[in-house]
Amino acid sequence: AQSVTQLGSHVSVSEGALVLLRCNYSSSVPPYLFWYVQYPNQGLQLLLKYTSAATLVKGINGFEAEFKKSETSFHLTKPSAHMSDAAEYFCAVSIMEYGNKLVFGAGTILRVKS
Amino acid sequence: DAGVTQSPTHLIKTRGQQVTLRCSPKSGHDTVSWYQQALGQGPQFIFQYYEEEERQRGNFPDRFSGHQFPNYSSELNVNALLLGDSALYLCASRQTDNTGELFFGEGSRLTVL
Repeated sequence: AQSVTQLGSHVSVSEGALVLLRCNYSSSVPPYLFWYVQYPNQGLQLLLKYTSAATLVKGINGFEAEFKKSETSFHLTKPSAHMSDAAEYFCAVSIMEYGNKLVFGAGTILRVKS
Repeated sequence: DAGVTQSPTHLIKTRGQQVTLRCSPKSGHDTVSWYQQALGQGPQFIFQYYEEEERQRGNFPDRFSGHQFPNYSSELNVNALLLGDSALYLCASRQTDNTGELFFGEGSRLTVL
């Protein structure tokens, strides 16, 4: 069965600093990988997705993630944090043959300090 | 273009009661999934509906049931509510031939007292 581990339930960065949110996955078959963002009292918004094309994936709001099969990782980065990036971020994995259900990590709350 | 819409946004129930949550998928989408997000946790898959049938189910008891209508909208029903059912219930939709991208609604927050 597939699973996702997000290292660090809370991450705090200064405005303008690098954002790095870590995600490791476990899957017996090539996965599809996703990052979602959730603002308070809202649903989930897709940031980016990896579906076996380019290993470096660019998403919205300046975020990107790199799929590293050897490390089973899909870390999310942004060169310069903005106050509006403060939210909760979820990494998720899905397997096509399992009907595309998503298995989510526990989430990482990003705090951006001014 | 309306996205995924859910109702009600908030509701309070007492233990033992039953609840029905509703979801209208994004225009053009025919597959609907439901997720439960407990406080401080990631969403957990409940089940998925396509062509009015439950196609896949997560590790949830039979108290959780659903339905999909011919217009692709969906309902989630929970019977005999427990305190532990308190959570944000998220509906997500996609096109069947899409490579897994789901569009989520803003959720229905259920509180069980």
